[in-house]
Formats: sequence, C-alpha cells, structure tokens
Amino acid sequence: DSGVTQTPKHLITATGQRVTLRCSPRSGDLSVYWYQQSLDQGLQFLIQYYNGEERAKGNILERFSAQQFPDLHSELNLSSLELGDSALYFCASSPLGRGPYNEQFFGPGTRLTVL
Amino acid sequence: GENVEQHPSTLSVQEGDSAVIKCTYSDSASNYFPWYKQELGKGPQLIIDIRSNVGEKKDQRIAVTLNKTAKHFSLHITETQPEDSAVYFCAAADTGTASKLTFGTGTRLQVTL
Repeated sequence: DSGVTQTPKHLITATGQRVTLRCSPRSGDLSVYWYQQSLDQGLQFLIQYYNGEERAKGNILERFSAQQFPDLHSELNLSSLELGDSALYFCASSPLGRGPYNEQFFGPGTRLTVL
Repeated sequence: GENVEQHPSTLSVQEGDSAVIKCTYSDSASNYFPWYKQELGKGPQLIIDIRSNVGEKKDQRIAVTLNKTAKHFSLHITETQPEDSAVYFCAAADTGTASKLTFGTGTRLQVTL
C-alpha cells in the first residue's frame, strides 16, 4: 500500500458526460500528479500540482481540468467524455515539487469506462 | 520533449534465471530514472531508481545501471521468482523545474517454473 488513495475505483458513464476523480496524497506529500494509462498511449503524464499551484502540464486535453485543494487532495475533472477517454487514471504523490530526490508513489487508480 | 524507448516488450525466463530490460532516453537534461513494477489491477510500484550522479545501484536481487553518455539505462533482476512476473516500466525525468515522468512502453516479464 503506497499511502495514496483514489476514489472511485471504477466509473462507468456515457459519452458527453462529466466525471470527477479524487486523489488523496501520502501524508506529508505536497505534490500530486495525474497520469493516464491506455492500451494505445501507455502511461502519459497529464498534470502536476505542488502545494495548491499548477507546476507542470503534459498532454492534458482542454476538456480535462484539475485542482489541488488546501488540504492537498486533488480532483481531476473530465468533461464532454468521449469513447477514447476510457482508460486507467492514476494519481501519484511526492514530497516536493522538483528535484532528483522526489520519488513518486502511485495510487491504485480509477478505471473509467465511457459507453 | 523527452522520449523513452523500452525493450523488450515481453520477456519470458525460467525461475532462477536473470532478466534484463533496457531503456534509452532522448533528453540529455534528464537526471532521474525510476523503475516501476505493475501487477494486474494495481498501480505502478516504485522498485528502484537511479540518479545521474551514479552509474549503478543495487538492492538485493535488483540492480540498475546508467550510461549517461549513451543515454541508456537497464534493469537487472537476478534469481528470478514467480512473484517477479509483472509489467515493468522505466521512466525518465528532468527534475530541474518539475518532476513529470516520461514512461517507456513497458515490458511484460513472465517467470516460468
């Protein structure tokens, strides 16, 4: 158990809908990361937050947004869902915002299925 | 941006044999190289990492080597056991301003009895 929690574990929804994925980082970690894992794209970095502020952005679609709250939990919002958004979404956390001694620990993931 | 290539995509070894997985990266600014193990239905688990100031690191049956000149790094697992069966991912990051990881495409390791 990495100490990172994600809810829900599974999510099934329809095209055009909006969903929210939630992540709680390990105790003491200030950074939260979101990654998408799909069969065709592999593990892709979406976005990083550090202490409430956006730190880095990857290939995140404009239909997706995220935020980190004062208690450091994070939410990833996915809107106008398409079939291709079906994937595993992982949250990871680390103590710092940058630096080579900033190991990332992953949560168990949320499996999103768009029908 | 960074690009990480990983080989082989699948690897089958007999219990007790060694397994080697290789990765190359493109961005010379990358300075942090973790390896993750992912079991079915679970999130990636950090098993070992190496930073650009060292060439080799070992933790029991697992070792990682880094060649910065050639921009490649490798994972070595010795005395493999059935519980080593999983998908392994290498990753690279330039941790100067952020810590986003660029992952390889994964290696499915199967350890047979």
